[in-house]
Amino acid sequence: NAGVTQTPKFRVLKTGQSMTLLCAQDMNHEYMYWYRQDPGMGLRLIHYSVGEGTTAKGEVPDGYNVSRLKKQNFLLGLESAAPSQTSVYFCASSHEGWYEQYFGPGTRLTVT
Amino acid sequence: SQELEQSPQSLIVQEGKNLTINCTSSKTLYGLYWYKQKYGEGLIFLMMLQKGGEEKSHEKITAKLDEKKQQSSLHITASQPSHAGIYLCGALRQRGNDMRFGAGTRLTVKP
Repeated sequence: NAGVTQTPKFRVLKTGQSMTLLCAQDMNHEYMYWYRQDPGMGLRLIHYSVGEGTTAKGEVPDGYNVSRLKKQNFLLGLESAAPSQTSVYFCASSHEGWYEQYFGPGTRLTVT
Repeated sequence: SQELEQSPQSLIVQEGKNLTINCTSSKTLYGLYWYKQKYGEGLIFLMMLQKGGEEKSHEKITAKLDEKKQQSSLHITASQPSHAGIYLCGALRQRGNDMRFGAGTRLTVKP
């Protein structure tokens, strides 16, 4: 099993460009999450999903959109990237509830 | 300010020494989680604590949640270089639909 995978691993965007980060899990987990990690700030929850077709806002949702069309995939979109969105993005999944979360390796995004 | 305060921010210890990392909240914690992150990688789940006074151990790592459920400690006995990394505590908010993390404690273990 691959666990949680994230695509791409690195990306550089110019201000105003758009992109989609893909998260895939092969553990048949119901819950999936998107976090961003910034120095001194720890992890902050952007959006999450409690099942296929559902999404909900976390702590810092502004500037991001998500979709969960298939149970195994959770997409994070940036419609118009800003330098403040430079960060490392982590996807995670869990079987049920907010218990043990399995994290992907992260995507390092730089917006210039 | 962080809802979860971790201390210390960084820690350098000699191999074989014991150490403690603390996680403190001004609010009652509903589910406290400890994760470890190796540099440049994702997080790995260590332990979850839910009840006041609960204590769990895994190999040489012990985590405790105080009776008031506002502070947790992570204790490593006889540290090894493999323990090096960033330790983060996370907690569910009362409504159970959001999760917050501390800023992390960076641990270095010198051989």
